[in-house]
Amino acid sequence: EVQLAQSGAEVKKPGESLKISCNGSRNSFSSYWIGWVRQMPGRGLEWMGSIFPGDSDTTYSPSVQGHVTISADESTSVAYLQWGSLKASDSAMYYCARQRTGSYAPDSFDIWGPGTWVTVSS
Amino acid sequence: EIVLTQSPATLSLSPGGSATLSCRATESLTVTYLAWYQQKPGQAPRLLIYGTSNRATGIPDRFSGSGSGTDFTLTISRLEPEDFAVYYCQYYGDSPLYTFGQGTKVEI
Repeated sequence: EVQLAQSGAEVKKPGESLKISCNGSRNSFSSYWIGWVRQMPGRGLEWMGSIFPGDSDTTYSPSVQGHVTISADESTSVAYLQWGSLKASDSAMYYCARQRTGSYAPDSFDIWGPGTWVTVSS
Repeated sequence: EIVLTQSPATLSLSPGGSATLSCRATESLTVTYLAWYQQKPGQAPRLLIYGTSNRATGIPDRFSGSGSGTDFTLTISRLEPEDFAVYYCQYYGDSPLYTFGQGTKVEI
C-alpha cells in the first residue's frame, strides 16, 4: 500500500527558514505528481504547488509563487516544501498528496500524507 | 481563474437521510477534471469522487457524483454516522492547476 509520511510539527519565528518533507514509496514516487496543500486553522484547502519528481518539473499557485520552493530528491523518494522567510500567516497544516494516476496530465489526489503543522509566532 | 462556490455552507441532517451538496463554477468545466473529497476533524482529506462521477477505490456506492457545465453535485444517500464531515469539490487542469471550493459541512 502506497503511503506518504510527513515530517513532524514545527514552531518557528517570523523571518526564519523552514523545509518540511514528504516521504513516498520508491517504486512509484518518480512517476506521479506530488502536490502540497495548505489548510489554515479552521479554513479550507488551498493548493500551493506540485512537482513531478521524475524530471523535477514544478508548478506553483500564483498566491505562493516566489514565497515557497518545492523540490524533490528522486533517489530518496522525498519531496520538500521550503520557505526562505516565514510569516505569521504561514501558520497552517501542510499536506502532501500524490496524484491518482501516473500521468503528466493533472488528476485528483488519492494518497495524502497526515500533514505537518507549522506554527510561526514571535 | 475558475472559482468554485459550494452550497450550502452547512447541511444539518439525520442518519439515514440524504445529502445533496452543490459545487458551482464561474465558467464551464471539463467533467473529467472535477473531484470531491471528504475531510473529518484531525484527518487528511480523502478522495471520494474523480472525473465528476467515478468513485475512488473503496468508496461505498451511497456516494455519487454528477453534473456538467458549471453545476456539479455530490449526493450521499443513506447517511451513516461516519459521513458527517466537511466535503470539498476540486477542479484540476486550469490555472491555477488545482482549485478547491470552500467546503460544505454535513452535520447531525
